[in-house]
Amino acid sequence: DVKVTQSSRYLVKRTGEKVFLECVQDMDHENMFWYRQDPGLGLRLIYFSYDVKMKEKGDIPEGYSVSREKKERFSLILESASTNQTSMYLCASSSRTGGAYDEQFFGPGTRLTVL
Amino acid sequence: AQRVTQPEKLLSVFKGAPVELKCNYSYSGSPELFWYVQYSRQRLQLLLRHISRESIKGFTADLNKGETSFHLKKPFAQEEDSAMYYCALSGTGANNLFFGTGTRLTVIP
Repeated sequence: DVKVTQSSRYLVKRTGEKVFLECVQDMDHENMFWYRQDPGLGLRLIYFSYDVKMKEKGDIPEGYSVSREKKERFSLILESASTNQTSMYLCASSSRTGGAYDEQFFGPGTRLTVL
Repeated sequence: AQRVTQPEKLLSVFKGAPVELKCNYSYSGSPELFWYVQYSRQRLQLLLRHISRESIKGFTADLNKGETSFHLKKPFAQEEDSAMYYCALSGTGANNLFFGTGTRLTVIP
């Protein structure tokens, strides 16, 4: 059973703080993703990684960075948190067998509030 | 550019009534289409994908390339179908998904 875990369910930070969101998967998946989920906007891809130390920008990378030092772990970093980054953040992973067909498995989400 | 449109943010139907959640897409190549679902207090999870041509929990979805649609249908809605539904698209050879804005389905007892 695929397990994707996220370090926190709820997080409250202050404007300007550096924020780390951690995601770990235990299925040896090559691909990992970070999304933010906002009402009326759906899921928007922030960054994804298809291998260790590799990263690709998604649709809304501004204000975020990522790190993938180990295959199982993908970190999202908010260099200087701002109130418009208050959101639900979802991590996902998938294997890379045929490209487009692979199911993405999601973590429980981290609800981040920036005050 | 790829785009997924779910025109209804909210949809309410009575238990036992048919339900259709609309999804239209824009993509120049051959897309792969998916429906993901998020039940209350649960993780987002795959419901079905067009390539499998399967029925999951009574739901089906047919890819109509002429109308660029991938509507999700179920003939008789159940209360446990109440959830948030997202249509998603993946391009040829791509690893990432592009999601629509979602439709919240409420099945009224």
